[in-house]
Amino acid sequence: KAGVTQTPRYLIKTRGQQVTLSCSPISGHRSVSWYQQTPGQGLQFLFEYFSETQRNKGNFPGRFSGRQFSNSRSEMNVSTLELGDSALYLCASSRGTAEAFFGQGTRLTVV
Amino acid sequence: QKEVEQNSGPLSVPEGAIASLNCTYSDRVSQSFFWYRQYSGKSPELIMSIYSNGDKEDGRFTAQLNKASQYVSLLIRDSQPSDSATYLCAVPRGGSNYKLTFGKGTLLTVNP
Repeated sequence: KAGVTQTPRYLIKTRGQQVTLSCSPISGHRSVSWYQQTPGQGLQFLFEYFSETQRNKGNFPGRFSGRQFSNSRSEMNVSTLELGDSALYLCASSRGTAEAFFGQGTRLTVV
Repeated sequence: QKEVEQNSGPLSVPEGAIASLNCTYSDRVSQSFFWYRQYSGKSPELIMSIYSNGDKEDGRFTAQLNKASQYVSLLIRDSQPSDSATYLCAVPRGGSNYKLTFGKGTLLTVNP
């Protein structure tokens, strides 16, 4: 059974640009959550989608947005990138319970 | 009080010993608790979930939950060098099971 797939694995962007990250959940999982991991702040919740609707949102600025498609695949977008957005972005999928399974992550570097 | 607190470590144990990792949480209504293992440069991997007071065993891993004390722990018996990783405690918050709050993690090193 395939796990959570995130693309791309690595990205380098310039300040002010925008970026889109993609996540394909485990087959049958309808909840997709996004997290940001940095050495200083650890793992922080960004938002969660279920059946194409955002159900939960963390304390991040509006530059961070996401969406979910009818096949449960999800994308997150960060606009007007700042140096502080450099982080590992993790996607997790769940099926009916709180057990969340993470993808390999996208390492974003903003220069 | 932080929502989820863990001993920052690092924790160093000899091979074959028992490693004890601790976590406290602030939200009294939390009903489920998770332990993740994260190797350096990798993503978190779910290794244990616990929902009821008491102990839950899975191989060399035992999770212990005490809701009255708002405390959850992870014991690793017969520790192996391959257990060397950061262990993250996670608790759903805000009434939603899908919004996990993570502790900062405890770095465990098992010395051969």
